[in-house]
Amino acid sequence: DTAVSQTPKYLVTQMGNDKSIKCEQNLGHDTMYWYKQDSKKFLKIMFSYNNKELIINETVPNRFSPKSPDKAHLNLHINSLELGDSAVYFCASSQDRGLAGRRQTQYFGPGTRLLVL
Amino acid sequence: GESVGLHLPTLSVQEGDNSIINCAYSNSASDYFIWYKQESGKGPQFIIDIRSNMDKRQGQRVTVLLNKTVKHLSLQIAATQPGDSAVYFCAENIQGGSEKLVFGKGMKLTVNP
Repeated sequence: DTAVSQTPKYLVTQMGNDKSIKCEQNLGHDTMYWYKQDSKKFLKIMFSYNNKELIINETVPNRFSPKSPDKAHLNLHINSLELGDSAVYFCASSQDRGLAGRRQTQYFGPGTRLLVL
Repeated sequence: GESVGLHLPTLSVQEGDNSIINCAYSNSASDYFIWYKQESGKGPQFIIDIRSNMDKRQGQRVTVLLNKTVKHLSLQIAATQPGDSAVYFCAENIQGGSEKLVFGKGMKLTVNP
């Protein structure tokens, strides 16, 4: 009964390849996110979707393309992988997008550890 | 003790002591703050939150203090246990064109038995 799940947990691939990471939440939340955590543990938002609509795109290279087939799923496709893409990618979800006065507690998945060789 | 540098800041405490983890946030318009705990190999886990109209909130063994004047947030953990060893992040909810959480650098708490 995992609330936010991601697959795969580990991903090792060669530079230049294309890969996808999948995320699913069973919390009934409207909003989902992708974060990147670097080797120094710095956690930075990449994208956010609310009810399948993109609402945040934080100056991420075009090689990264999120897709939300429905509000319970948010996948991340990465083209032409580079060494600098090596990181842990976290998916998260929240009840809603956190407009003024409303809480935006985000619940995180276990992470996908991507290593680009 | 506490160290800040190129590496993740670290706080080492003895089991049973109280721990205080500090965080400076950036935006005076932020209206909501959250503390997360991240254990090794896992995703961040919600601990406690506080709205900007409060200056203190208590949970089970944890207390969050908010000082808006100096844009400072702290997490106090009472009677620290080995299971509290983790990286702790503060996050602020920034209002604006696109509401989002901005995370602080993180502080690694090590509890020595």
